[in-house]
Amino acid sequence: EVQLVESGGGLVQPGGSLRLSCAASGFTFSSYEMNWVRQAPGKGLEWVSHIRSSGSTIYYADSVKGRFTISRDNAKNSLYLQMNSLRAEDTAVYYCAKQQFVRGSFDSWGQGTLVTVSS
Amino acid sequence: DIQMTQSPSSLSSSIGDRVTITCQASQDINNYLNWYQHKPGKAPKLLIYDASNLETGVPSRFSGSGSGTDFTFTISSLQPEDIATYYCQQYDNLPPFTFGGGTKVEIK
Repeated sequence: EVQLVESGGGLVQPGGSLRLSCAASGFTFSSYEMNWVRQAPGKGLEWVSHIRSSGSTIYYADSVKGRFTISRDNAKNSLYLQMNSLRAEDTAVYYCAKQQFVRGSFDSWGQGTLVTVSS
Repeated sequence: DIQMTQSPSSLSSSIGDRVTITCQASQDINNYLNWYQHKPGKAPKLLIYDASNLETGVPSRFSGSGSGTDFTFTISSLQPEDIATYYCQQYDNLPPFTFGGGTKVEIK
């Protein structure tokens, strides 16, 4: 059974940093592209970042480009999101999502971790 | 970037009703369109991929259609467990993988 478990969320002040982790199990992590998606309070889903299976290619939403860094450790079956220069508008539940082969559909998601940016 | 316009933003229907949600892309995305169900406090769930393909294990009352710029998601007979927010998502070419604004489905 595929499992994705996010951790690392919490309360942080504006301008601060946080590192999210996503522990994967139940599938060959190193073979799949992965993503981070977030949902701000009362808002819809927003795609944040994508990383290829090898980590060689990375994409970001314009809203986080230059502040967030996605990475992965295939030996540890883990996905990360380093978030710097955090703003109030980054407050959201952050989900990691496994991408299907070839397609851009996300067939497995974690339960999410809440990030709150507030003074 | 491709924009996705989803409508309605909310709807209220009776159990057993047919429910239809539409999603329009700002440019041709072929059939690179997915539909998700999201319940509060839960992980989003993939229902339909590539516009019309039912994900394994998803009940057959859910269906999708369309190609190019106009897409439709249908629940043929609304059930109490279908109360959720539904999102379309496009993945034409490279990221960004844009989501629609969502449709909140409630029971009348």
